[in-house]
Amino acid sequence: DIQMTQSPSSLSASVGDRVTITCRASQGITSHLNWYQQRPGKAPKLLIYAAFSLQPGVPSRFSGSGSGTEFTLTISSLQPEDFATYYCQQAYTTPLTFGGGTKVEIK
Amino acid sequence: QVQLVQSGAEVKKPGASVKVSCKASGYTFTDYGVSWVRQAPGHGLEWLGWISAHNGNTNYAQRLQGRLTMTTDTSTTTAYMELRRLRSDDTAVYYCARDIGSSWPNWFDPWGQGTLVTVSS
Repeated sequence: DIQMTQSPSSLSASVGDRVTITCRASQGITSHLNWYQQRPGKAPKLLIYAAFSLQPGVPSRFSGSGSGTEFTLTISSLQPEDFATYYCQQAYTTPLTFGGGTKVEIK
Repeated sequence: QVQLVQSGAEVKKPGASVKVSCKASGYTFTDYGVSWVRQAPGHGLEWLGWISAHNGNTNYAQRLQGRLTMTTDTSTTTAYMELRRLRSDDTAVYYCARDIGSSWPNWFDPWGQGTLVTVSS
């Protein structure tokens, strides 16, 4: 199975900060990488698909980049509603696998 | 709007089976797949498997092979996930999600609201 490793596992940031989350795959997955946001008690929500494509309706402060084994999710200016847990997910091969999550907390 | 509505919470004893339903609306059901993902309390996300609503093809996580069955009913645009021989570590919130892949699993949008399955004696 492809292992997905996210870093950091948690971070504290302030409103307006630029935040970057990294996701590394244990083998190359080309651009088959998706990002989700999960608020407490809610279902995950798709933010980015295929490494860098913004899901319609998602604010443009979210962006994705990378290919191969290293990917990043960037929030250009953190907003109060962005405090949540973020997960990456590879879709290169089955079983599809998720990273362990990055919890973004208020500083 | 595109929506997936899941059945309600379940409490089961070890060794029993559970079947969760996922009613889809707002899109052409057979143009997509459905993936199932679970989340144990306080833990991350685990993909369980995928089914094509177009032709019923499935792809299951190997660790659940033999205990898991996914089906769809195109007449009612409903997907089902049945897990048998339940264990305490199957306790989790189970999510269905529309999968963009009709021939292979890919990304998930939107997700159902989740169904809590508790396995306890």
